[in-house]
Amino acid sequence: SQQGEEDPQALSIQEGENATMNCSYKTSINNLQWYRQNSGRGLVHLILIRSNEREKHSGRLRVTLDTSKKSSSLLITASRAADTASYFCATEAGAQKLVFGQGTRLTINP
Amino acid sequence: GAGVSQSPSNKVTEKGKDVELRCDPISGHTALYWYRQSLGQGLEFLIYFQGNSAPDKSGLPSDRFSAERTGGSVSTLTIQRTQQEDSAVYLCASSKGGSTNEKLFFGSGTQLSVL
Repeated sequence: SQQGEEDPQALSIQEGENATMNCSYKTSINNLQWYRQNSGRGLVHLILIRSNEREKHSGRLRVTLDTSKKSSSLLITASRAADTASYFCATEAGAQKLVFGQGTRLTINP
Repeated sequence: GAGVSQSPSNKVTEKGKDVELRCDPISGHTALYWYRQSLGQGLEFLIYFQGNSAPDKSGLPSDRFSAERTGGSVSTLTIQRTQQEDSAVYLCASSKGGSTNEKLFFGSGTQLSVL
């Protein structure tokens, strides 16, 4: 069952611009995670935000969580070519299972 | 090893053959997940192991798919009588304790191509 859905499906911006992608989910969560995937292989964890947190920062990443709207956003500031990747949110589906959305494909143009 | 290891990296097989995919999680990690990702798509949950508990097999798409985890460490995903629609990247991940507030560490995946 699909819990999180990312939006947009694809995003193309110029290097240096900010990139924002969103994740919506259906049922209540304890936390939400964001991952990055390069070249269609293994995912790398970026950040985890708990349900009692509204915003979290890690370097050029800013994640927000709005539990009333069941949505989260990932902002990448001052984008670089190396940020080109797919980004996924992961949420709980049941007690211990993490499920992923379809992802946002981000392209940073030089 | 330092990370999650999957083998083989690539597997090409003929329709109808059985395949085994292997995952070696990070030492000490009690939780292990298998996901499948078709080209350009999201991750599809397949199965989850946590310690000695019965695995959550709710994502296995058919009875041709099975997985086991021996000794709480290495896991093998077996696909019997492969079909062309089984072609995908199979990703394995592990986490330290299995709670959803822990991050997953992924392997590089096995690209399966069924001809």
